[in-house]
Amino acid sequence: GPKVLQIPSHQIIDMGQMVTLNCDPVSNHLYFYWYKQILGQQMEFLVNFYNGKVMEKSKLFKDQFSVERPDGSYFTLKIQPTALEDSAVYFCASSLLGGSYEQYFGPGTRLTVL
Amino acid sequence: GEQVEQRPPHLSVREGDSAVITCTYTDPNSYYFFWYKQEPGASLQLLMKVFSSTEINEGQGFTVLLNKKDKRLSLNLTAAHPGDSAAYFCAVSANTGYQNFYFGKGTSLTVIP
Repeated sequence: GPKVLQIPSHQIIDMGQMVTLNCDPVSNHLYFYWYKQILGQQMEFLVNFYNGKVMEKSKLFKDQFSVERPDGSYFTLKIQPTALEDSAVYFCASSLLGGSYEQYFGPGTRLTVL
Repeated sequence: GEQVEQRPPHLSVREGDSAVITCTYTDPNSYYFFWYKQEPGASLQLLMKVFSSTEINEGQGFTVLLNKKDKRLSLNLTAAHPGDSAAYFCAVSANTGYQNFYFGKGTSLTVIP
């Protein structure tokens, strides 16, 4: 089936540094999402992105977070600067359209902030 | 905004027994419902997508029931086997607004051989 790729699978950084998480969504999909999952807890919505713009973001999407997808390349989540509470697994998802269309999830990037 | 409650957080059953996971939601505009399975260390895999118009949906070894009046969605594994051991998440999406997914907190299912 369609696959979403995420790079890297693991990232360890020091608090205060910048990190960029990369997502390669399904090729013909138009909606892109980031979710955050702290170990053992639920998947929490961060942001969705369509047509080059953030459509909606949650309270978890702090000012230190930003997303972009320049010219159809990776869909990225940048955190600058990072904080200890940013440690989590970040999942990227994409869907053909919104609403009724299922989201396909990547394998996640485990971010550890020291 | 939408609130999705999922119960139970942990569930342990013996092989061959049934297992039921339930989600309740609050937004009356909720129209699309999804069940995802997450095996340890892996990503989410779609089990089933349910539309508001269909109350009973059957998959391989499981049934999804939708009660719109009570705003309740349930996943019933009819005869669990060890391969079903995983985390299960419901997700709900409306047919208005940005149509985001709202996830339940998940249920960790353990099937004992």
